[in-house]
Amino acid sequence: DTGVSQDPRHKITKRGQNVTFRCDPISEHNRLYWYRQTLGQGPEFLTYFQNEAQLEKSRLLSDRFSAERPKGSFSTLEIQRTEQGDSAMYLCASSLGGLGVYEQYFGPGTRLTVT
Amino acid sequence: QQPVQSPQAVILREGEDAVINCSSSKALYSVHWYRQKHGEAPVFLMILLKGGEQKGHDKISASFNEKKQQSSLYLTASQLSYSGTYFCGTERISGTYKYIFGTGTRLKVLA
Repeated sequence: DTGVSQDPRHKITKRGQNVTFRCDPISEHNRLYWYRQTLGQGPEFLTYFQNEAQLEKSRLLSDRFSAERPKGSFSTLEIQRTEQGDSAMYLCASSLGGLGVYEQYFGPGTRLTVT
Repeated sequence: QQPVQSPQAVILREGEDAVINCSSSKALYSVHWYRQKHGEAPVFLMILLKGGEQKGHDKISASFNEKKQQSSLYLTASQLSYSGTYFCGTERISGTYKYIFGTGTRLKVLA
């Protein structure tokens, strides 16, 4: 399967714990995006990378959230001191980059439940 | 700031047509359309890059009126597989990059 993959698919954690999610984009894609989606809502933009550089970070992303893409390939999203409001589906997407505008390919998502 | 889609929900019979609108209060650089089925990730449908551009494949097409900052998605002779939630995604590059999805339109096609 050469699509976008995410791991884990489901995560249940207790409030206050740290969690880390991984995203593996399509190999030739140099842009990678993270979104958060709650039930009945559209995906909310969190951040995006062009290769290893994090070029934009939404104001929705509190200091408890951090994302990395160390070698311009896979990316991790870490949430520290989780809160119940963090419960959501976390989606990763990738696309080609450069001067053009390209479609995003989404992974299956990681569903986070904070108890 | 989030683009507003209309209608919020629509129910069709197989073979009927539908139009979904996406309207933004901010200038748009491009408009993307996605369909998301329940429990699945969004799937890309098409991108429109400039005002007046229209695209389509199969029986789904779209238009982008840059001046009005609106886009419309046209579903012709709908099929059961068209059921899902449709989102427009808009890309704005005004100082900083920003990608925002619209409010969504739930579409249900009945046999």
